[in-house]
Amino acid sequence: EVQLVQSGAEVKKPGESLKISCEGFQSSFTNYWIGWVRQMPGKGLEWMGLIHPADSDTRYTPSFQGHVTISADTSISTAYLQWSSLEASDTAMYYCASGAAALGHPYDMWGQGTMVTVSS
Amino acid sequence: DIQMTQSPSSLSASVGDRVTITCRTSQSISHYLHWYQQKPGKAPKLLISVVSMLESGVPSRFSGSGSGTDFTLTISSLQPEDFATYYCQQSYNSPPTFGQGTKVEVK
Repeated sequence: EVQLVQSGAEVKKPGESLKISCEGFQSSFTNYWIGWVRQMPGKGLEWMGLIHPADSDTRYTPSFQGHVTISADTSISTAYLQWSSLEASDTAMYYCASGAAALGHPYDMWGQGTMVTVSS
Repeated sequence: DIQMTQSPSSLSASVGDRVTITCRTSQSISHYLHWYQQKPGKAPKLLISVVSMLESGVPSRFSGSGSGTDFTLTISSLQPEDFATYYCQQSYNSPPTFGQGTKVEVK
Protein backbone atom coordinates (compact mmCIF):
# COMPACT_ATOMS: atom_id res chain seq x y z
CA GLU A 1 0.00 0.00 0.00
CA VAL A 2 1.29 3.43 -0.94
CA GLN A 3 1.18 6.23 1.58
CA LEU A 4 1.22 9.72 0.14
CA VAL A 5 2.57 12.80 1.91
CA GLN A 6 2.18 16.19 0.27
CA SER A 7 4.19 19.36 0.69
CA GLY A 8 2.92 22.19 2.85
CA ALA A 9 0.60 25.09 2.21
CA GLU A 10 1.76 27.85 -0.13
CA VAL A 11 0.91 31.54 -0.45
CA LYS A 12 1.92 33.07 -3.76
CA LYS A 13 1.34 36.19 -5.87
CA PRO A 14 -0.21 36.14 -9.35
CA GLY A 15 2.42 35.47 -12.00
CA GLU A 16 4.69 33.51 -9.66
CA SER A 17 5.72 29.91 -10.29
CA LEU A 18 5.11 27.00 -7.95
CA LYS A 19 5.88 23.30 -7.69
CA ILE A 20 4.14 21.15 -5.09
CA SER A 21 5.04 17.57 -4.29
CA CYS A 22 3.55 14.24 -3.34
CA GLU A 23 5.91 11.65 -1.86
CA GLY A 24 5.04 7.98 -1.87
CA PHE A 25 6.34 5.83 0.97
CA GLN A 26 6.35 2.43 -0.62
CA SER A 27 8.67 0.58 -2.98
CA SER A 28 5.97 -0.01 -5.58
CA PHE A 29 5.39 3.74 -6.04
CA THR A 30 6.33 3.42 -9.70
CA ASN A 31 3.70 0.73 -10.35
CA TYR A 32 0.67 2.94 -9.78
CA TRP A 33 -0.85 5.85 -11.61
CA ILE A 34 -0.73 9.08 -9.61
CA GLY A 35 -3.35 11.72 -10.14
CA TRP A 36 -3.82 15.31 -9.11
CA VAL A 37 -7.21 16.64 -8.06
CA ARG A 38 -8.25 20.25 -7.54
CA GLN A 39 -10.88 21.39 -5.08
CA MET A 40 -11.66 25.09 -5.19
CA PRO A 41 -13.08 26.62 -1.99
CA GLY A 42 -16.56 25.24 -1.35
CA LYS A 43 -16.59 23.33 -4.62
CA GLY A 44 -16.34 19.78 -5.89
CA LEU A 45 -13.47 17.56 -6.97
CA GLU A 46 -11.85 17.97 -10.39
CA TRP A 47 -9.29 15.63 -11.92
CA MET A 48 -6.39 17.60 -13.38
CA GLY A 49 -4.27 14.81 -14.80
CA LEU A 50 -2.38 11.59 -14.21
CA ILE A 51 1.14 10.28 -14.48
CA HIS A 52 2.58 6.78 -14.47
CA PRO A 53 5.99 7.22 -12.81
CA ALA A 54 7.56 4.15 -14.43
CA ASP A 55 7.44 5.60 -17.94
CA SER A 56 6.20 9.17 -17.33
CA ASP A 57 3.07 8.55 -19.40
CA THR A 58 1.06 11.69 -18.58
CA ARG A 59 -2.57 12.49 -19.30
CA TYR A 60 -4.22 15.88 -18.75
CA THR A 61 -7.84 16.86 -18.47
CA PRO A 62 -8.36 19.30 -21.38
CA SER A 63 -9.28 22.24 -19.15
CA PHE A 64 -5.92 21.97 -17.34
CA GLN A 65 -3.72 21.15 -20.34
CA GLY A 66 -1.13 23.85 -20.90
CA HIS A 67 -1.68 25.50 -17.53
CA VAL A 68 -0.01 22.93 -15.28
CA THR A 69 2.74 20.35 -15.64
CA ILE A 70 2.71 16.97 -13.92
CA SER A 71 5.98 15.12 -13.45
CA ALA A 72 7.59 12.45 -11.29
CA ASP A 73 11.02 11.53 -9.97
CA THR A 74 11.16 7.78 -9.38
CA SER A 75 14.53 8.02 -7.57
CA ILE A 76 12.77 9.74 -4.67
CA SER A 77 9.24 8.33 -5.19
CA THR A 78 7.79 11.80 -5.67
CA ALA A 79 5.25 13.28 -8.04
CA TYR A 80 4.93 16.98 -8.76
CA LEU A 81 2.38 19.50 -9.90
CA GLN A 82 3.73 22.79 -11.15
CA TRP A 83 2.64 26.13 -12.50
CA SER A 84 4.83 28.58 -14.39
CA SER A 85 2.50 31.53 -13.84
CA LEU A 86 -0.14 31.35 -11.14
CA GLU A 87 -3.49 33.08 -11.32
CA ALA A 88 -5.87 34.02 -8.52
CA SER A 89 -8.23 31.32 -9.81
CA ASP A 90 -5.61 28.69 -8.94
CA THR A 91 -6.45 29.21 -5.26
CA ALA A 92 -7.56 25.76 -4.16
CA MET A 93 -6.77 22.62 -2.25
CA TYR A 94 -4.79 20.15 -4.34
CA TYR A 95 -4.78 16.43 -3.62
CA CYS A 96 -2.63 13.69 -5.05
CA ALA A 97 -4.10 10.22 -5.30
CA SER A 98 -2.71 6.81 -6.13
CA GLY A 99 -3.41 3.11 -5.93
CA ALA A 100 -4.60 2.62 -9.49
CA ALA A 101 -2.50 -0.13 -11.06
CA ALA A 102 -4.28 0.41 -14.36
CA LEU A 103 -6.13 3.34 -15.90
CA GLY A 104 -9.57 1.91 -15.16
CA HIS A 105 -8.88 1.33 -11.49
CA PRO A 106 -10.07 3.54 -8.62
CA TYR A 107 -7.77 5.57 -6.38
CA ASP A 108 -7.68 4.24 -2.84
CA MET A 109 -4.78 6.25 -1.46
CA TRP A 110 -4.86 10.01 -1.05
CA GLY A 111 -2.45 12.62 0.18
CA GLN A 112 -3.52 15.03 2.91
CA GLY A 113 -3.84 17.92 0.46
CA THR A 114 -1.83 21.08 -0.24
CA MET A 115 -3.60 24.42 0.07
CA VAL A 116 -2.43 26.95 -2.52
CA THR A 117 -3.46 30.57 -2.07
CA VAL A 118 -2.76 33.06 -4.86
CA SER A 119 -3.33 36.66 -3.90
CA SER A 120 -1.76 40.02 -4.62
CA ASP B 1 -15.55 13.95 -22.46
CA ILE B 2 -17.87 11.83 -20.38
CA GLN B 3 -20.33 14.00 -18.48
CA MET B 4 -21.31 12.91 -14.99
CA THR B 5 -24.60 14.03 -13.50
CA GLN B 6 -25.22 13.34 -9.82
CA SER B 7 -28.55 13.88 -8.14
CA PRO B 8 -29.58 15.33 -5.89
CA SER B 9 -26.87 17.95 -5.32
CA SER B 10 -27.83 17.95 -1.66
CA LEU B 11 -30.29 16.24 0.63
CA SER B 12 -31.40 16.49 4.22
CA ALA B 13 -31.93 13.27 6.12
CA SER B 14 -32.21 11.91 9.63
CA VAL B 15 -30.28 9.17 11.36
CA GLY B 16 -31.82 5.85 10.35
CA ASP B 17 -33.11 7.08 7.00
CA ARG B 18 -32.47 5.24 3.77
CA VAL B 19 -30.56 7.48 1.38
CA THR B 20 -30.15 7.03 -2.36
CA ILE B 21 -27.82 9.01 -4.60
CA THR B 22 -27.80 8.57 -8.36
CA CYS B 23 -25.09 9.11 -10.92
CA ARG B 24 -25.79 9.24 -14.64
CA THR B 25 -23.12 9.27 -17.34
CA SER B 26 -23.37 10.70 -20.85
CA GLN B 27 -22.23 7.41 -22.37
CA SER B 28 -21.89 3.82 -21.25
CA ILE B 29 -18.96 3.28 -18.91
CA SER B 30 -19.46 -0.44 -18.30
CA HIS B 31 -18.49 -1.09 -14.66
CA TYR B 32 -15.90 1.71 -14.36
CA LEU B 33 -17.80 3.63 -11.70
CA HIS B 34 -16.56 4.33 -8.18
CA TRP B 35 -17.90 6.21 -5.16
CA TYR B 36 -15.98 8.42 -2.74
CA GLN B 37 -16.90 10.05 0.55
CA GLN B 38 -15.43 13.37 1.64
CA LYS B 39 -15.81 14.97 5.04
CA PRO B 40 -15.03 18.66 5.64
CA GLY B 41 -11.32 19.38 5.72
CA LYS B 42 -10.42 15.82 4.78
CA ALA B 43 -9.21 14.05 1.65
CA PRO B 44 -11.72 11.90 -0.24
CA LYS B 45 -12.03 8.28 0.77
CA LEU B 46 -12.82 5.45 -1.64
CA LEU B 47 -16.00 3.70 -0.52
CA ILE B 48 -17.08 1.52 -3.40
CA SER B 49 -15.20 0.48 -6.53
CA VAL B 50 -16.41 -0.96 -9.83
CA VAL B 51 -20.07 -0.23 -9.11
CA SER B 52 -20.63 -2.43 -6.08
CA MET B 53 -17.40 -3.61 -4.42
CA LEU B 54 -17.11 -2.26 -0.89
CA GLU B 55 -13.65 -1.24 0.20
CA SER B 56 -12.19 -2.91 3.25
CA GLY B 57 -13.63 -1.44 6.43
CA VAL B 58 -16.62 0.22 4.77
CA PRO B 59 -19.84 -0.65 6.64
CA SER B 60 -22.30 -2.93 4.91
CA ARG B 61 -25.03 -0.28 5.10
CA PHE B 62 -23.35 1.18 2.01
CA SER B 63 -24.13 -0.45 -1.32
CA GLY B 64 -23.75 0.36 -4.98
CA SER B 65 -25.56 -0.82 -8.06
CA GLY B 66 -26.12 -0.03 -11.70
CA SER B 67 -24.61 -0.55 -15.11
CA GLY B 68 -24.06 1.24 -18.37
CA THR B 69 -25.05 4.83 -17.71
CA ASP B 70 -27.09 4.73 -14.50
CA PHE B 71 -25.66 4.04 -11.08
CA THR B 72 -26.82 4.28 -7.48
CA LEU B 73 -25.22 4.62 -4.06
CA THR B 74 -27.49 3.58 -1.22
CA ILE B 75 -27.03 4.01 2.51
CA SER B 76 -29.55 1.68 4.10
CA SER B 77 -29.67 3.30 7.52
CA LEU B 78 -27.91 6.64 7.80
CA GLN B 79 -25.54 6.98 10.74
CA PRO B 80 -24.14 10.19 12.28
CA GLU B 81 -20.72 9.57 10.72
CA ASP B 82 -22.26 9.35 7.23
CA PHE B 83 -23.04 13.05 6.97
CA ALA B 84 -20.60 14.04 4.25
CA THR B 85 -20.34 14.75 0.53
CA TYR B 86 -20.38 11.83 -1.88
CA TYR B 87 -18.88 11.78 -5.35
CA CYS B 88 -19.15 9.31 -8.19
CA GLN B 89 -16.18 8.95 -10.51
CA GLN B 90 -15.78 7.26 -13.88
CA SER B 91 -12.52 5.66 -14.95
CA TYR B 92 -13.69 4.39 -18.34
CA ASN B 93 -11.87 7.31 -19.97
CA SER B 94 -8.60 8.87 -18.92
CA PRO B 95 -8.25 11.15 -17.05
CA PRO B 96 -11.18 10.19 -14.86
CA THR B 97 -14.00 12.59 -14.06
CA PHE B 98 -16.12 13.15 -10.96
CA GLY B 99 -19.75 13.92 -10.56
CA GLN B 100 -20.49 17.29 -8.98
CA GLY B 101 -21.11 15.74 -5.55
CA THR B 102 -24.06 15.16 -3.25
CA LYS B 103 -23.98 16.73 0.20
CA VAL B 104 -25.85 14.71 2.81
CA GLU B 105 -26.91 17.03 5.62
CA VAL B 106 -28.70 16.65 8.92
CA LYS B 107 -32.43 17.20 8.69
